Amino acid sequence: GAGVSQSPSNKVTEKGKDVELRCDPISGHTALYWYRQSLGQGLEFLIYFQGNSAPDKSGLPSDRFSAERTGGSVSTLTIQRTQQEDSAVYLCASSPQREPSTDTQYFGPGTRLTVL
Amino acid sequence: DQQVKQNSPSLSVQEGRISILNCDYTNSMFDYFLWYKKYPAEGPTFLISISSIKDKNEDGRFTVFLNKSAKHLSLHIVPSQPGDSAVYFCAAQRTDSWGKLQFGAGTQVVVTP
Repeated sequence: GAGVSQSPSNKVTEKGKDVELRCDPISGHTALYWYRQSLGQGLEFLIYFQGNSAPDKSGLPSDRFSAERTGGSVSTLTIQRTQQEDSAVYLCASSPQREPSTDTQYFGPGTRLTVL
Repeated sequence: DQQVKQNSPSLSVQEGRISILNCDYTNSMFDYFLWYKKYPAEGPTFLISISSIKDKNEDGRFTVFLNKSAKHLSLHIVPSQPGDSAVYFCAAQRTDSWGKLQFGAGTQVVVTP
């Protein structure tokens, strides 16, 4: 079946502009995650959605970052007033969340964001 | 605060030999560990995992070893193949805190013919 898809694959924006990044998870997966990978760094957790529960936003670096998940499926990560340090690859993942010991997160290809 | 560390940014190994990737963690509450593999321009893909109740898990050419007392895990690839050339990420989580994987910075593996 189809994997996790993300759009756009690349985004170049000017400092101060807002950007929206989209994620389509695997159908039937109840959990959705956003991570980012800055140059030379590991993946950094941003936010986690599980079903209808309140999202875990503990990884969002500032209040310029927000995310929504509509209808338990598609998610949008919004970055307002972008800064150069926001430049990174933003990765989305989904998982079926059946069992903690066996749950696997499936990643999309990412959106490379460049803030000039 | 980097809770998962991969201290070797790169590793070069000859085809057919063993690749050993190392990972250290600081949070003793982590009880589930994973390795992901990433090719350029693709998202990471799950490779193998291990629960803290085990010290070894094997899947084909890939074996993960966990030393809880040392807070250390390693991934062995035997024999290494050219298609194994990729970035490998170690990740850890607490199973009472779903989803919040902590990743290391990755190790670039190059398998030479």
